[in-house]
Formats: sequence, C-alpha cells, structure tokens
Amino acid sequence: EAGVAQSPRYKIIEKRQSVAFWCNPISGHATLYWYQQILGQGPKLLIQFQNNGVVDDSQLPKDRFSAERLKGVDSTLKIQPAKLEDSAVYLCASSLESDGDEQFFGPGTRLTVL
Amino acid sequence: DAKTTQPPSMDCAEGRAANLPCNHSTISGNEYVYWYRQIHSQGPQYIIHGLKNNETNEMASLIITEDRKSSTLILPHATLRDTAVYYCIVRFFGNEKLTFGTGTRLTIIP
Repeated sequence: EAGVAQSPRYKIIEKRQSVAFWCNPISGHATLYWYQQILGQGPKLLIQFQNNGVVDDSQLPKDRFSAERLKGVDSTLKIQPAKLEDSAVYLCASSLESDGDEQFFGPGTRLTVL
Repeated sequence: DAKTTQPPSMDCAEGRAANLPCNHSTISGNEYVYWYRQIHSQGPQYIIHGLKNNETNEMASLIITEDRKSSTLILPHATLRDTAVYYCIVRFFGNEKLTFGTGTRLTIIP
C-alpha cells in the first residue's frame, strides 16, 4: 500500500515570499491533516479536512496560511507571506475515518525561511 | 496543551526491553492512551493504543495502571532501528485531534 506522499521534501525561501506544499493521502482515506513541527517540538495540528470540508482549523494562522482539498483527495497548504518563524517541517497525515483511527504520516516538507 | 508527562530522554541496550513511562494523572474515563514514535527525518508512526486493559501487538506492549494515571510502553527486544522520539498522547476516541508533547528521545545503545 502506498503511503502518504508529500512534495517538495525541502524548500528554502526568503521572508515575505510565498510557498505551497502538496499532499496526496492514502487512497480511500477520508480525513486529511496538516501539522507544523518546529525543531525540538512535537507536531501541532494546523487544519483537518473530512473529505473536502474543513473540520478544525482553529490553530491555522489564517492571515497568512491557507489550505484546500479539492475533490476530497489531494491537498495544498500555502503560506503567503512567509515569516522567519514559519521555518518548520510541515507534515501531512491521513486516516480512513475520523473516529480515532490510526493516522498515517507522510515524510514532511522541511521549510527554511531566510 | 499535552495532558501527559514523559522523561525527555532514555537509553536502552540493544536486545534488552525498553520501558517508556508516561504520566497522565488527569485522564478521564473515556480517554484513550495512544503511542506514536518519530524516527529521525520521518513522520510519526502509530504504535499502539489502549483504554484500560493491557494491549499487545507486533510492535509493542502497553501496560496501563489500574487507576489509569500512568502507563508504560514496552519494546520487548530493542534494536537500533527503535531509536526515535516516542510520544504518549491522551485522546478521546471520537476526537480526531492528536496533541503531541515533546516526547521521550529513546536511544538504543549497541
């Protein structure tokens, strides 16, 4: 079974630039999550989708971050404009349903903002 | 905020059992204990979860105390590939959100 795919794996940008990350969840998984992991910390949930609807985006900085999941499959996370404190690993995860099922994580995208 | 307390780091000799403790003194009756691990440069990986009975799968065993205020994850025969950060998470089964703390960095010593 193919896992969660993410791209790019690494990205370096300057502050105030924009950046986008892509995630392809495991086939058939209804729920998709984006997490932010700052160095030395555990992952923090940014947004959760159930199919193509948003379930929880309470910790998403909406002034600069946006995410979409068109057609309930792939998802993109965008940052515009980026700040130095956005340097982190952005992890995508998916689960079959949303009622406590195991979450499968992708390898993440490491973002460095200079 | 994370509802669990874990030691920041532990070492274990290769081939021995690794016992990782977790305190969750404020756990409520319908909250589960989940364990995930994160190997360097990878995303977290699910290990095991339980409510009040001890659980075992092909990766590990989970021992939950009778009062449910603490638990121990046991890797029975640790290998070098088990070197990772281990996260103990308390979570309602119907609540999808995983709230990660800083975990325990387990180093397996050859």
